[in-house]
Amino acid sequence: DVKVTQSSRYLVKRTGEKVFLECVQDMDHENMFWYRQDPGLGLRLIYFSYDVKMKEKGDIPEGYSVSREKKERFSLILESASTNQTSMYLCASTGSGELFFGEGSRLTVL
Amino acid sequence: KNEVEQSPQNLTAQEGEFITINCSYSVGISALHWLQQHPGGGIVSLFMLSSGKKKHGRLIATINIQEKHSSLHITASHPRDSAVYICAVIRGNKLVFGAGTILRVKS
Repeated sequence: DVKVTQSSRYLVKRTGEKVFLECVQDMDHENMFWYRQDPGLGLRLIYFSYDVKMKEKGDIPEGYSVSREKKERFSLILESASTNQTSMYLCASTGSGELFFGEGSRLTVL
Repeated sequence: KNEVEQSPQNLTAQEGEFITINCSYSVGISALHWLQQHPGGGIVSLFMLSSGKKKHGRLIATINIQEKHSSLHITASHPRDSAVYICAVIRGNKLVFGAGTILRVKS
């Protein structure tokens, strides 16, 4: 019973390409988050959303944007991918005290 | 001072040992989660706590709301318990993590 689904487990993109990472949750959670995880740096918050069309910047929003047109879907967009955006990207959702993570999307930018 | 303090950062144990990981927080919360991440794996929530104590197999988690403290215990530890354990608190629509504990259980 998968609760948070990320669209791609592995992606390889070229510098300058536009990248879309999608996250879908089926629990009617209000809050959704995008993190990147890098060795030795832990989880760093990129953006989060607490309602449809609402978003807030996290700790490292530069180079990223997000979209939440529907409650269940939260998309992370890299407008022009760069090599320093090579990372594991994790989506999470919370609601009523619950917390679930997606399996992660490993992005490599060449 | 971080809102969520977790200790120890690293822990090595022999198979069979009793293990405790601690988490202290300084803000009001609606829930606390203990998360587990195996090397190369995803993050899963082991427990959601808002009060008291929960047990699942060899894992026990407790929380003391008044003292703003939670512990994760592993009884009869096994090498497959080797993972990173993270304390996470939900505060309104915010999510705050501890720094994580890297656990290695040797056989």
